[in-house]
Amino acid sequence: KNQVEQSPQSLIILEGKNCTLQCNYTVSPFSNLRWYKQDTGRGPVSLTIMTFSENTKSNGRYTATLDADTKQSSLHITASQLSDSASYICVVSAGAAGNKLTFGGGTRVLVKP
Amino acid sequence: DGGITQSPKYLFRKEGQNVTLSCEQNLNHDAMYWYRQDPGQGLRLIYYSQIVNDFQKGDIAEGYSVSREKKESFPLTVTSAQKNPTAFYLCASSIDLTVLYGYTFGSGTRLTVV
Repeated sequence: KNQVEQSPQSLIILEGKNCTLQCNYTVSPFSNLRWYKQDTGRGPVSLTIMTFSENTKSNGRYTATLDADTKQSSLHITASQLSDSASYICVVSAGAAGNKLTFGGGTRVLVKP
Repeated sequence: DGGITQSPKYLFRKEGQNVTLSCEQNLNHDAMYWYRQDPGQGLRLIYYSQIVNDFQKGDIAEGYSVSREKKESFPLTVTSAQKNPTAFYLCASSIDLTVLYGYTFGSGTRLTVV
């Protein structure tokens, strides 16, 4: 069964600090991995997408890494801002067409001043 | 600007009622999807549609129905057969089912049974 596990479930950080979110998956055959940001009461917005051959991708202060051998990904937030308070969802696509999506339960991040 | 519009933002349903959630997109995407989101859980696929007049059941289709009469519209009906409908519902679209270019999500509808 395809699964995506995210940790921690939630975390609180002070404004300006860095943090790292984890995503472990057991999805096969792997196609790509995406990180989404979801503000409360809103739809998710894509941050990064990585294929098998990519091991790091950045989008501003967000940097995602992928280790396809260990089936792990991380999302690093640098110099956090209050607007980073949101849930972050890891989504792994499987299948040759990449159209079998498995969603993680998300990590809720709260940035405090 | 192109995007996906879901309405209403909040919806309250009485026991035994059917309710319909609206989803409209002007992105010219062929594929559309409905997901259900419960606290602490990953999104679960309810239904998806690749083209007009065609749709397929997802992982949790029981108690739900959809239609795709127009490319732009993919309404979801939550029927009285859905025993636990209180959740956040997200509509999404993609260029096609390969999802190579990712999803665009709507802002969601929060459904509460009263």
